Amino acid sequence: EAQVTQNPRYLITVTGKKLTVTCSQNMNHEYMSWYRQDPGLGLRQIYYSMNVEVTDKGDVPEGYKVSRKEKRNFPLILESPSPNQTSLYFCASSLIKNTEAFFGQGTRLTVV
Amino acid sequence: GENVEQHPSTLSVQEGDSAVIKCTYSDSASNYFPWYKQELGKRPQLIIDIRSNVGEKKDQRIAVTLNKTAKHFSLHITETQPEDSAVYFCAAEEGGSYIPTFGRGTSLIVHP
Repeated sequence: EAQVTQNPRYLITVTGKKLTVTCSQNMNHEYMSWYRQDPGLGLRQIYYSMNVEVTDKGDVPEGYKVSRKEKRNFPLILESPSPNQTSLYFCASSLIKNTEAFFGQGTRLTVV
Repeated sequence: GENVEQHPSTLSVQEGDSAVIKCTYSDSASNYFPWYKQELGKRPQLIIDIRSNVGEKKDQRIAVTLNKTAKHFSLHITETQPEDSAVYFCAAEEGGSYIPTFGRGTSLIVHP
């Protein structure tokens, strides 16, 4: 089944403790991206990747890192999480840009 | 950068009525306009999209219209059903950009 899988689904952590949210897609998509969803603000892009080893900042990249060592994986790294990073995070992939985005099931992160 | 305004933020209708959600965008270079539906606790999923070389597109009870001159596009749902209840997001993507801009979402409630 074609899908985007992210883990974990739920995560509660403390301020400053590094964490990684994994994202994997099995559709051989070139384009992958990370979004955060906050009430009343919609979806805002954090980082995106056009292909392996090619990444760039989205609209809200501060406090986040990403890597794209393999085409299928695109982890999101929070080196020193802070409470304002408490949010619902979605990974997404598209065959190429300007086409349908397939979203993962979401990761609800709480930073205390 | 691109700015997308979406209205209304909440829309309540009776089953069988029509629902219309409107979005405006600022960047005349935007050429791809997807609409995503997000049911409670689920991931966003594409329901329909339109490109700038097309004025209208229909898929059963759902239609999208695009007015490039006025820079606005709308989602039309006819004969609404309770299962149409969800949050709907519009987005605008410029051909040369990898960063889609989403509207803030419309919560559609269909009363049986």
